[in-house]
Amino acid sequence: GENVEQHPSTLSVQEGDSAVIKCTYSDSASNYFPWYKQELGKRPQLIIDIRSNVGEKKDQRIAVTLNKTAKHFSLHITETQPEDSAVYFCAASMSWGGATNKLIFGTGTLLAVQP
Amino acid sequence: NAGVTQTPKFRILKIGQSMTLQCTQDMNHNYMYWYRQDPGMGLKLIYYSVGAGITDKGEVPNGYNVSRSTTEDFPLRLELAAPSQTSVYFCASRSTVEDTQYFGPGTRLTVL
Repeated sequence: GENVEQHPSTLSVQEGDSAVIKCTYSDSASNYFPWYKQELGKRPQLIIDIRSNVGEKKDQRIAVTLNKTAKHFSLHITETQPEDSAVYFCAASMSWGGATNKLIFGTGTLLAVQP
Repeated sequence: NAGVTQTPKFRILKIGQSMTLQCTQDMNHNYMYWYRQDPGMGLKLIYYSVGAGITDKGEVPNGYNVSRSTTEDFPLRLELAAPSQTSVYFCASRSTVEDTQYFGPGTRLTVL
């Protein structure tokens, strides 16, 4: 089955710097890769996702890149702000048509943005 | 539109007790999921459902049961609670036309 590895487990940056979180997956059939942000004591919330037919996707200060050959994908946050501090999870799944989209999650990265 | 709701928010169980975690969504989503999140870890899929009357096992189903009698509700049953089931449980749902899973607020369960 699918396995997702995520690193680093913790990341501390200065406000305004960039942050990069990386994930690798094992199942070449996976084609959907979401990123979730989870603030302390809150539910996970989707911040960005990418499909395997796209190499990069941006949404304001957040971007995700995907390398299908190497089976890894990364989250990039630019101009970090204190409110970006949270745990970030990557996930992978097979999703097309009516497929079940069973998400396999990485173990999370605790991002701390120092003011 | 409340989205995905879960009850209770917190619960303490004694070893061997049983309970049902409730999950309801009002978005008419066919797909529903139960995850558990252990401290410092990612989410693990327990069970999922693709529609009323259809359920299937995820990564960590042992010790749990589910049912799906309506589109809206997807309860998770714990029989004979064990300390290893101490965790935060999240329910999620999604429609058939988009991949985004929407999570409920979670239930924090402690088994002593």
